[in-house]
Amino acid sequence: SYELTQPPSVSVSPGQTASITCSGDVLTKQFGYWYQQKPGQAPVLIIYKDRERPSGIPERFSGSSSGTTVTLTLSGVQADDEGDYYCQTADSSGSSVFGGGTKLTVL
Amino acid sequence: QVQLVESGGGVVQPGTSLRLSCAASGFKFFSYGMHWVRQAPGKGLEWVAVIWYDGSQSYHSDSVRGRFSISRDDSKKELYLDMNSVSVEDTAVYYCVREGLDGGGFKDWGQGTQVTVSS
Repeated sequence: SYELTQPPSVSVSPGQTASITCSGDVLTKQFGYWYQQKPGQAPVLIIYKDRERPSGIPERFSGSSSGTTVTLTLSGVQADDEGDYYCQTADSSGSSVFGGGTKLTVL
Repeated sequence: QVQLVESGGGVVQPGTSLRLSCAASGFKFFSYGMHWVRQAPGKGLEWVAVIWYDGSQSYHSDSVRGRFSISRDDSKKELYLDMNSVSVEDTAVYYCVREGLDGGGFKDWGQGTQVTVSS
């Protein structure tokens, strides 16, 4: 099995840029995905295949990949962006793993 | 629109069995891989199992392998999770998830069903 490591928390002021990293050796071979989850709600896919954005997701959300790390970047952070963010990857069988999650706080 | 509606959760005793169901609508169910993902109270997301679009393959996480089994009935457009020998560590909200085509990620999620294992 493999692991993905995220920082437990990230804080940012409104209008600034927040970056959340996700590290794991498996990311050199597999794509990374990002999900946003707000309290009491199901997660929402916000980035797939490292950097692609599903329809309906604002351009403020972007993804990148370098080596063993994928990064989620939120530009012009808004209060509504507060929540938990999870990275995820999967192998060719579909077997998947999530990172531990990062709580984003907008100061 | 895509809808995934889980059912079958509840309060059960350790060592017993439970079957979760997920009713799918709004898309061609037989064309998509499907997953179960769970979230323990106050904890992060944990992937549980996947079944391929044609049902030919299924895989389970280490924590549930040998106790849980994922299956599907395309004629009914339903996904299942048979849970055996449950323990308190299996207490969680269980989400039914549709996989996007061509590596599209966990594209659509149900609202979840609560499973509580308690004596």
